[in-house]
Amino acid sequence: EIVLTQSPGTLSLSPGERATLSCRASQRVSSTYLAWYQQKPAQAPRLLIYGASTRATGIPDRFSGSGSATDFTLTISRLEPEDFAVYYCQHYGDSSMYTFGQGTKLEIK
Amino acid sequence: QITLKESGPTLVKPTQTLTLTCTFSGFLLSTSGAGVGWIRQPPGKALEWLALIYWNDDKQYSPSLRSRLTITKDTSEKQVVLTVTNMDPVDTGTYYCAHKLPLAFDIWGQGTMVTVSS
Repeated sequence: EIVLTQSPGTLSLSPGERATLSCRASQRVSSTYLAWYQQKPAQAPRLLIYGASTRATGIPDRFSGSGSATDFTLTISRLEPEDFAVYYCQHYGDSSMYTFGQGTKLEIK
Repeated sequence: QITLKESGPTLVKPTQTLTLTCTFSGFLLSTSGAGVGWIRQPPGKALEWLALIYWNDDKQYSPSLRSRLTITKDTSEKQVVLTVTNMDPVDTGTYYCAHKLPLAFDIWGQGTMVTVSS
């Protein structure tokens, strides 16, 4: 079973700064099956990125995804006030199972 | 426009069976490739995938919860139902249904909070 470990647990930044969030898989995975979600308090998650680097419909281009094998990154180029939220990576893998990471909280510094 | 909405009890007792309904619109679950999944989230914790059903009635379950989960669909009524048996307080949380793209969940319902308590 693949485990996704996200780091850091909490990231404190200011609007306008660049955010880099990490998602590490416990074994090599295909980038095709890696997605990122954003979740704000009391809201459902929102799909940001799928296939490791493809933005979902309506997602601003300040959000970008990259990576391969075991290391994946979500980058927010210039933080807007509405970007402060919790971010999850997710993988679809062996045994037709969907796995989520434990999340990274992006908070205002 | 795709929308999904979860419904069901807000409070269940330990050992009871939870039945949740996802009512959707904007797509046909009879269309090749279509799927609807269930994901839950304990308060203050991470997301956990539970189950998924496809247009062809293929079903997938979380291995850790497989023995307690059943997912079914009513294509004509545009609903997907999830049952969870033998509920426990650790099953407390928000339960979401979501429309599945080939490899991710692109549209989510608002979620429904379920508390397990005697």
